[in-house]
Amino acid sequence: KAGVTQTPRYLIKTRGQQVTLSCSPISGHRSVSWYQQTPGQGLQFLFEYFSETQRNKGNFPGRFSGRQFSNSRSEMNVSTLELGDSALYLCASSLQEGTYEQYFGPGTRLTVT
Amino acid sequence: AQSVAQPEDQVNVAEGNPLTVKCTYSVSGNPYLFWYVQYPNRGLQFLLKYITGDNLVKGSYGFEAEFNKSQTSFHLKKPSALVSDSALYFCAVRDSGYSTLTFGKGTMLLVSP
Repeated sequence: KAGVTQTPRYLIKTRGQQVTLSCSPISGHRSVSWYQQTPGQGLQFLFEYFSETQRNKGNFPGRFSGRQFSNSRSEMNVSTLELGDSALYLCASSLQEGTYEQYFGPGTRLTVT
Repeated sequence: AQSVAQPEDQVNVAEGNPLTVKCTYSVSGNPYLFWYVQYPNRGLQFLLKYITGDNLVKGSYGFEAEFNKSQTSFHLKKPSALVSDSALYFCAVRDSGYSTLTFGKGTMLLVSP
């Protein structure tokens, strides 16, 4: 089975721009979560989606948004980029909500200049 | 609110020696506990999880973890370390099936030849 794929892998944007990141979960997985990873803050939870519904949201400003499509693929969008948004954005999928383990993609490295 | 503490930023072990990476948690209900490993420039890989049952959980690559409810700990162990085990290890917890997954700050494991 193919793993979680994320596109693009690397991205360089300028402050004020917006960006959209894409995640394709493992086939059959219905839950998708997004995380931001930085050296200072570690792994911080952004959102969790299940069957196109946002189930949980982390403590991030409204500039961060996401969605999930009927085929379970997910996108996250960051508007009005700030330098502090530079990070590795990780997507993870799991079979169902709840106690199932999450499988992570390789991440998208976003650099904001 | 749920939280995870990994008290050591780095653990150094000689190859062939046993290793322990520590994790303590705080939740309001029953804990669901996970260990993940991250190699450089990669996403996180699932190692093992504790949901219920036997306090000793066996996982991938020879790793195991011991759940201790009274000490609210879930330490990761391996009887004999390999140089290839060198990586960043994350402990994570959910306090119910539908809460967010909270990660610790991570512990860098360095195994010397």
